[in-house]
Amino acid sequence: ILNVEQSPQSLHVQEGDSTNFTCSFPSSNFYALHWYRWETAKSPEALFVMTLNGDEKKKGRISATLNTKEGYSYLYIKGSQPEDSATYLCARRTGANNLFFGTGTRLTVIP
Amino acid sequence: DVKVTQSSRYLVKRTGEKVFLECVQDMDHENMFWYRQDPGLGLRLIYFSYDVKMKEKGDIPEGYSVSREKKERFSLILESASTNQTSMYLCASSLGTGMFFGSGTQLSVL
Repeated sequence: ILNVEQSPQSLHVQEGDSTNFTCSFPSSNFYALHWYRWETAKSPEALFVMTLNGDEKKKGRISATLNTKEGYSYLYIKGSQPEDSATYLCARRTGANNLFFGTGTRLTVIP
Repeated sequence: DVKVTQSSRYLVKRTGEKVFLECVQDMDHENMFWYRQDPGLGLRLIYFSYDVKMKEKGDIPEGYSVSREKKERFSLILESASTNQTSMYLCASSLGTGMFFGSGTQLSVL
C-alpha cells in the first residue's frame, strides 16, 4: 500500500446498528494514526491518536484499534445514532509535521 | 479551546482573478497548513509553514502561493484562479501531534 486508503467510501446504516470501517496505510515509517470526524459545515474534529501496535482507544460508543505491523486501523461505532452521520477521516503521520489523509468514509445513519 | 478561523465559508470568483484565503489561529501554534478536499481524493496538502516567513510545498502546490507574515495568520493565494481550483479549502494549525482545523472555505471558480 502506497497511500492511506479507507473503505468503504460510503455506507448507510439504520439507527441502532453497529458498524465499522477500515483504514489501511503503509506500515513503514509509521509514527501515528489519527482519526477525525467531519460533520458537514463544521471543522474536522479529532477522535483518536494512536501510536503503538495493538493500541485500542474508546470514546463513548466509538472505538478504534491499530495494527502497525500489517498497516490497518478499524473504527467501530456501536449502536449508531443519526448524530454519528459524518465523514470519518484517518490520517497517517510519518514523523514530520504532516498528515497523509485517506479519502474518508461517509456514514449516514437513517432514523 | 483552540480556534482556527477561515475568513469566508463560501466564495465565488471568476477565472483569472487573484484570490486570497485567510486563516487565523489563536493558540500560538507554530505549524499551519492548507489542504484542499475534493470528492474521492481526500485531503491533499497544498502548503505548510512551521514558522513566520517560512513555507514548504506540500503535495499539490502548483497554482498556489502562501504568506505567513505573522505567526497567527497563514494566507493561501491563488495568483490566477482557474476552474480546476474549485474545491473545499481547509486550514489547520498544530503544536506537536494535535491538529486543529478551520471549518473550511468552499471556493467556486466560474
